Amino acid sequence: AQSVTQLGSHVSVSEGALVLLRCNYSSSVPPYLFWYVQYPNQGLQLLLKYTTGATLVKGINGFEAEFKKSETSFHLTKPSAHMSDAAEYFCAVTTTGGGNKLTFGTGTQLKVEL
Amino acid sequence: DGGITQSPKYLFRKEGQNVTLSCEQNLNHDAMYWYRQDPGQGLRLIYYSQIVNDFQKGDIAEGYSVSREKKESFPLTVTSAQKNPTAFYLCASSPGTSGNEQFFGPGTRLTVL
Repeated sequence: AQSVTQLGSHVSVSEGALVLLRCNYSSSVPPYLFWYVQYPNQGLQLLLKYTTGATLVKGINGFEAEFKKSETSFHLTKPSAHMSDAAEYFCAVTTTGGGNKLTFGTGTQLKVEL
Repeated sequence: DGGITQSPKYLFRKEGQNVTLSCEQNLNHDAMYWYRQDPGQGLRLIYYSQIVNDFQKGDIAEGYSVSREKKESFPLTVTSAQKNPTAFYLCASSPGTSGNEQFFGPGTRLTVL
C-alpha cells in the first residue's frame, strides 16, 4: 500500500519569500511522485513529476522538488512567491502496475500576502 | 484542442434521485478515472478503467456506478444509495502506463438538496 502525508494544511508566506510545501510518502516499491496545483473550482494541473533519473525536478511556474529516498520526501519549493501562486497544492504517489492509480495527500492551501 | 470535458459544471439533485456526470476525453488515453474531492480530504478514487468495457472499483465505490463503452467516454452515476453525495467530482485520464501523469477535467460540483 502507498500513502502520502502533507504537513500543514495551510501555509502562508509573504510575496517574494521562499515557498516550502512538505510531502512525505510511504511505498514498498520505488515510487513515482507528482505535485499538482488546483485553483478554486477548477481541475488539477500538473506542476512536476519524478519518475526516474535526476532527483531534483524542475516544473512550471518556477517550482521544483527534490526526491529524497532516505527521507521518503518530495518537498515542493519556489525561491520567490508570487500572488498568483495562491492555490491548493496536492502531492501524489503511484507505483508500477495497478493501473497507474494515484494516491493523493490531503492538500496544502498556500496563501501569499503582500 | 485536446483535453477532458466534464458536464455539467454545477448539478443539483433531490435526495433519492440518481444522477449521471459526463466525462469525455479526446487525448486517445486508455485509462480514465473518477475522483471525489471533499474539503480537507484530498482526492479519493471512486472508479477507474484501463481499457474499454472494463473498470475496477476504487477506494470509495459504494453508491456509484460507471460504464466504459467507448474509449473517450467514462460517465459516472451517483445513485440514491450514496449517503453523502454532495462533493466536487473530478474526472481524469492518462495513457495508463505507470508513471504517466493524469490529466484532469474542470470538475462537476454536485449538490443534493
